[in-house]
Amino acid sequence: DAKTTQPPSMDCAEGRAANLPCNHSTISGNEYVYWYRQIHSQGPQYIIHGLKNNETNEMASLIITEDRKSSTLILPHATLRDTAVYYCIVRPFQGAQKLVFGQGTRLTINP
Amino acid sequence: EAGVTQSPTHLIKTRGQQVTLRCSPISGHTSVYWYQQALGLGLQFLLWYDEGEERNRGNFPPRFSGRQFPNYSSELNVNALELEDSALYLCASEAFGHFGDGTRLSIL
Repeated sequence: DAKTTQPPSMDCAEGRAANLPCNHSTISGNEYVYWYRQIHSQGPQYIIHGLKNNETNEMASLIITEDRKSSTLILPHATLRDTAVYYCIVRPFQGAQKLVFGQGTRLTINP
Repeated sequence: EAGVTQSPTHLIKTRGQQVTLRCSPISGHTSVYWYQQALGLGLQFLLWYDEGEERNRGNFPPRFSGRQFPNYSSELNVNALELEDSALYLCASEAFGHFGDGTRLSIL
C-alpha cells in the first residue's frame, strides 16, 4: 500500500505557482520523498526528491516539513504543459526498491 | 543518452492468447522494473529483474512472467490473456525510475 496521501485533483491558473501537498505521516528516518508526474499516455517522469532539507531544481521545488510528515511540491510558474497526474512516493534511497504509487493528484492548469 | 525503450507501443490481442512485451533499459543500468497501469488505476508493481535474476514480484498470477537477458534488456510475458489484462505496461530502468512510455495492451 502507498504510504502517502494526496488530494485527488487540483486546479491552477497558468502562470501562477502550483502547490501540491502530500501527507506521509508514517515516513521512516531512512526514507526519501520522491515526486513524479505522468502526462497523459506517457510514462512517469521523475521530478525531484529530498530527505529533510528543501530542494530545488529546474523543474520544481520541494518543501518538507520539519517533522517530515508532509511535503509540498511547488511548480513556480505553471504552464499548460504541466497538466498531469503528480505522484508523491516515499522510499529508501539506498537499495533497489520498487516504487509504490498511490492515486496521485490530477493537476489541471487552466489558461 | 537513450532513454528506456519499450516495444511495441500498442498491441491488440484476444482472450486466451499470449503476449510478449520488450524493454531496453538505459545503457549501464542493470535493473528493470515492470508495472501495470489499468485504466483509471494507479501503477501496480509487477516484476523486478536485476543482473539477470528475478528479485521480486508483485501480487500477480503466475501467468505473468518474464526474464532479463545478458544485455539487461527484458521481456514480460503474459499467458492466457484475460480482459482485465488490458492496461498500459510500463518498464522502468533502475529504482530511481526512468520510465519508458509503455506498451498499451488491449484485450478484445
